Amino acid sequence: SQQGEEDPQALSIQEGENATMNCSYKTSINNLQWYRQNSGRGLVHLILIRSNEREKHSGRLRVTLDTSKKSSSLLITASRAADTASYFCATPTIYNQGGKLIFGQGTELSVKP
Amino acid sequence: DAGVIQSPRHEVTEMGQEVTLRCKPISGHDYLFWYRQTMMRGLELLIYFNNNVPIDDSGMPEDRFSAKMPNASFSTLKIQPSEPRDSAVYFCASSFAGAAGYTFGSGTRLTVV
Repeated sequence: SQQGEEDPQALSIQEGENATMNCSYKTSINNLQWYRQNSGRGLVHLILIRSNEREKHSGRLRVTLDTSKKSSSLLITASRAADTASYFCATPTIYNQGGKLIFGQGTELSVKP
Repeated sequence: DAGVIQSPRHEVTEMGQEVTLRCKPISGHDYLFWYRQTMMRGLELLIYFNNNVPIDDSGMPEDRFSAKMPNASFSTLKIQPSEPRDSAVYFCASSFAGAAGYTFGSGTRLTVV
């Protein structure tokens, strides 16, 4: 079963624009993670936000977490063609259960030059 | 570190044949995960190990699937006998101290004809 659900499923923007992807989850978590997958490649860990954090930045990435709404968003500012990829949120299945992450279905982002 | 290394990158086999996928995790990581990715089902966790011990194999689809981790630097996922519905990309990932961010391998694309 899916723990995280991303929205939208697909997003197409022009280079330079911002891209926002959303993730909703079902159970209590101690952290939420975002990953990127380029076509034909493995997933790459982008950022982890803990349940006691509301916002986190890493370069052009900004992640927010609202535990009351069980939702998170990933914002990519000033997008580039190289940002074209699928983006996944992932959460632990059970609070504090070590190791096990469940991934959503992903948002496919296309950035047109 | 060379990252998580998977072999082979591509495997084409006939239905009924045995298939063995291999993974070398990052040195020092204590968790190892096997995932399967398909268009229909997304990323599915098959099994994961902690300190070489299988912790949760509830995602292994059938008895035809088995996984081993004989030591901290090597794991295998075996399918015997293989079926066309096993066609997917199989990813190995490793992490340190649980869900602190996975490092994925490049995956093995399995095609069963």
